[in-house]
Amino acid sequence: TQLLEQSPQFLSIQEGENLTVYCNSSSVFSSLQWYRQEPGEGPVLLVTVVTGGEVKKLKRLTFQFGDARKDSSLHITAAQPGDTGLYLCAGGKSNTGKLIFGQGTTLQVKP
Amino acid sequence: DARVTQTPRHKVTEMGQEVTMRCQPILGHNTVFWYRQTMMQGLELLAYFRNRAPLDDSGMPKDRFSAEMPDATLATLKIQPSEPRDSAVYFCASGLGLAHRRYEQYFGPGTRLTVT
Repeated sequence: TQLLEQSPQFLSIQEGENLTVYCNSSSVFSSLQWYRQEPGEGPVLLVTVVTGGEVKKLKRLTFQFGDARKDSSLHITAAQPGDTGLYLCAGGKSNTGKLIFGQGTTLQVKP
Repeated sequence: DARVTQTPRHKVTEMGQEVTMRCQPILGHNTVFWYRQTMMQGLELLAYFRNRAPLDDSGMPKDRFSAEMPDATLATLKIQPSEPRDSAVYFCASGLGLAHRRYEQYFGPGTRLTVT
């Protein structure tokens, strides 16, 4: 059972465009994280959100945790080729530190 | 710059052979996770440890996979015997396990395993 659904699965856009990636679940999570993975590398943690309704900004990236802590979104403004990669959301459900990962969104930003 | 290290980075082996993958977690981290990533299944949790004790290995095929932490600086994942369906990228991740940051995981570069 896939507890975290990401959409879209693939996204190919031109440099300078804006985009939003969604991460949805029917389950409540204690926290929600976003990772970015480049080819041949491991995922790199971008942000952790823990409070319902929380919004965090990281330069051109804006992350939001849903009020009910069941969903999250990642918005990128003025995308650049360096943003290309696989974006993964992951939710924490217990006190063990164990994460449940979404299937990922592959983003390609063309110059 | 503290990082999780994994060896080997690439491994090609024949079906039936034993494969051992090693991971050095970030110094001071007390949780260690093993994941497998494939195009079809994405990231799957195989096993994880806290303070070197195995907490959950329900994601791991028990008959051929084993995971251990001989000491705080080394985690191993062993496959014996290996099968072609084990071909994947295996990641190790470590974390602090602290209440407010317990979900933050730091990944190594992975071991790309090909079983022919």
